[in-house]
Amino acid sequence: RKEVEQDPGPFNVPEGATVAFNCTYSNSASQSFFWYRQDCRKEPKLLMSVYSSGNEDGRFTAQLNRASQYISLLIRDSKLSDSATYLCVVNGGFQKLVFGTGTRLLVSP
Amino acid sequence: DTEVTQTPKHLVMGMTNKKSLKCEQHMGHRAMYWYKQKAKKPPELMFVYSYEKLSINESVPSRFSPECPNSSLLNLHLHALQPEDSALYLCASSQRGQDEKLFFGSGTQLSVL
Repeated sequence: RKEVEQDPGPFNVPEGATVAFNCTYSNSASQSFFWYRQDCRKEPKLLMSVYSSGNEDGRFTAQLNRASQYISLLIRDSKLSDSATYLCVVNGGFQKLVFGTGTRLLVSP
Repeated sequence: DTEVTQTPKHLVMGMTNKKSLKCEQHMGHRAMYWYKQKAKKPPELMFVYSYEKLSINESVPSRFSPECPNSSLLNLHLHALQPEDSALYLCASSQRGQDEKLFFGSGTQLSVL
């Protein structure tokens, strides 16, 4: 089993839709969880850290489920500018950050 | 705008050339990283410097040589690269350690001919 797994997509949604991505991780001792956004040929940019209590930033909500070892990202009222690849990042063994393969989102007019 | 600056943005080099990639951050971060990213793949960790000392080398070939002259600067020296080394090279920094959020530079798109 991969350390961090994501559905590669693409997820094709219309503007205004709500879309959710999940990411599963294998290391039950992981303590740090992040969502990054990456546009084509650009660097990853931190979207949100993910906390046990869940956190929200505008249209974006991140949740952590330790029992089932997954994190989720919910995007409400999708915009065209949300089209990107969303990378799940988890700290694995030896304090290393492990990147998922990313989920591609395409928002259409 | 990113607070991690990388130069050059693009680089084309032959297999016999020697070149260097440069990275600078002024956020007072004490950990700096080099990642390599191929198209449609996630970033792969290459090296980690923590408090200016090399703490992780992910079995990277010796044709890649990192250097950390001070806490704000990170270089990656390239020599005798292969075409398969063509990729986006990303520098990143974090406040202290590997379990913290990373701030990435905009990367150097490297092509090896």
